[in-house]
Amino acid sequence: EDKVVQSPLSLVVHEGDTVTLNCSYEVTNFRSLLWYKQEKKAPTFLFMLTSSGIEKKSGRLSSILDKKELFSILNITATQTGDSAVYLCAVEGEETSGSRLTFGEGTQLTVNP
Amino acid sequence: DTGVSQNPRHKITKRGQNVTFRCDPISEHNRLYWYRQTLGQGPEFLTYFQNEAQLEKSRLLSDRFSAERPKGSFSTLEIQRTEQGDSAMYLCASSFVRGDSSTNEKLFFGSGTQLSVL
Repeated sequence: EDKVVQSPLSLVVHEGDTVTLNCSYEVTNFRSLLWYKQEKKAPTFLFMLTSSGIEKKSGRLSSILDKKELFSILNITATQTGDSAVYLCAVEGEETSGSRLTFGEGTQLTVNP
Repeated sequence: DTGVSQNPRHKITKRGQNVTFRCDPISEHNRLYWYRQTLGQGPEFLTYFQNEAQLEKSRLLSDRFSAERPKGSFSTLEIQRTEQGDSAMYLCASSFVRGDSSTNEKLFFGSGTQLSVL
């Protein structure tokens, strides 16, 4: 059964700090790893990673995947209060009936002014 | 911008009652997913459809749960004889995949239906 473990489960920082969120996984027939941000209701898509060692970047957020170590990190630099959210990691694995996502528990990030 | 739409946003019901939720996916998306999320946990997969065909159901989905997507567009999730343990956020998501499975899943989520069973 596919498994995703995120750490830490919660993190409190001050504005301007840099944070690193971790995601390790076990999956059958890996296809991709995704990061989502969930503020109140709907998770919103951040990144999709399919290849090892290639950094995806969007503004102050970046992510990288290590397929050998089955690991991904999400970095947020110069954090702002608006970054406060739950960050979800999910892996897409190939099933016989098609692929689907398995999510981790999430990391609750709180950025204080 | 017509994203994934779910209704109702909130549902409060008494134990033993039946409830039905609706999801309208992004119009060109052929896959539709139902997930359940409880406080402090990530979304748990329940079931998904490709067009009108229900391709997979999680072991989490008891006989009291049924989902349909009759015309390959909107979907409904019904829970019969609700129990307090059914209280959760029910999230719908949709995606588009090519028939040759060459595309990766990138799910777009709705805002969810928050179910409270008293």
